[in-house]
Amino acid sequence: GAGVSQSPSNKVTEKGKDVELRCDPISGHTALYWYRQSLGQGLEFLIYFQGNSAPDKSGLPSDRFSAERTGGSVSTLTIQRTQQEDSAVYLCASSRSGSAQFFGPGTRLTVL
Amino acid sequence: SQELEQSPQSLIVQEGKNLTINCTSSKTLYGLYWYKQKYGEGLIFLMMLQKGGEEKSHEKITAKLDEKKQQSSLHITASQPSHAGIYLCGAGTNFGNEKLTFGTGTRLTIIP
Repeated sequence: GAGVSQSPSNKVTEKGKDVELRCDPISGHTALYWYRQSLGQGLEFLIYFQGNSAPDKSGLPSDRFSAERTGGSVSTLTIQRTQQEDSAVYLCASSRSGSAQFFGPGTRLTVL
Repeated sequence: SQELEQSPQSLIVQEGKNLTINCTSSKTLYGLYWYKQKYGEGLIFLMMLQKGGEEKSHEKITAKLDEKKQQSSLHITASQPSHAGIYLCGAGTNFGNEKLTFGTGTRLTIIP
């Protein structure tokens, strides 16, 4: 497709369950980013992938959060043992190196 | 860490009027980005500014970055209902602009 796509669009889970969120970046974009948007914290950086370099994980809030990017394209953000404070909209973005980031529609995660 | 302050937090403007949103940082901005977000949707890229004194326009929206690269403004001329939404400024923390820090947003409402 022409833009960044994310799935699922909505995810409701129970506390303690693991969830996986998927991001398909724009074709040809070497950089991929995950952000989290919540009412109390605004929009926060989580993790950044650039080509084959080691990802910048400095924004991940705890070791329950992890992400991988396979084949330099699709990325999966995994949250283990979800907590209620993990409820937020998770946004993925991609870009060419040094250029503007283009965002997907997001995944709204609700942890009951 | 870099913080971005946006003002005003919300704005109600009559259709056809002009308006300005500001984004201020205490540190030099390495790349300043303006995005628009509608409820339940991802961020729509508007403009990117990188050089001190730079100004860009698209349709009725003009964005400027001051010479010191610490403040940016977004100006909308002859506002329309389609301009309603939340405007976010984001800035890179280093020359590569990888990890964007975002302001808290300005909610714009257009009344007929």
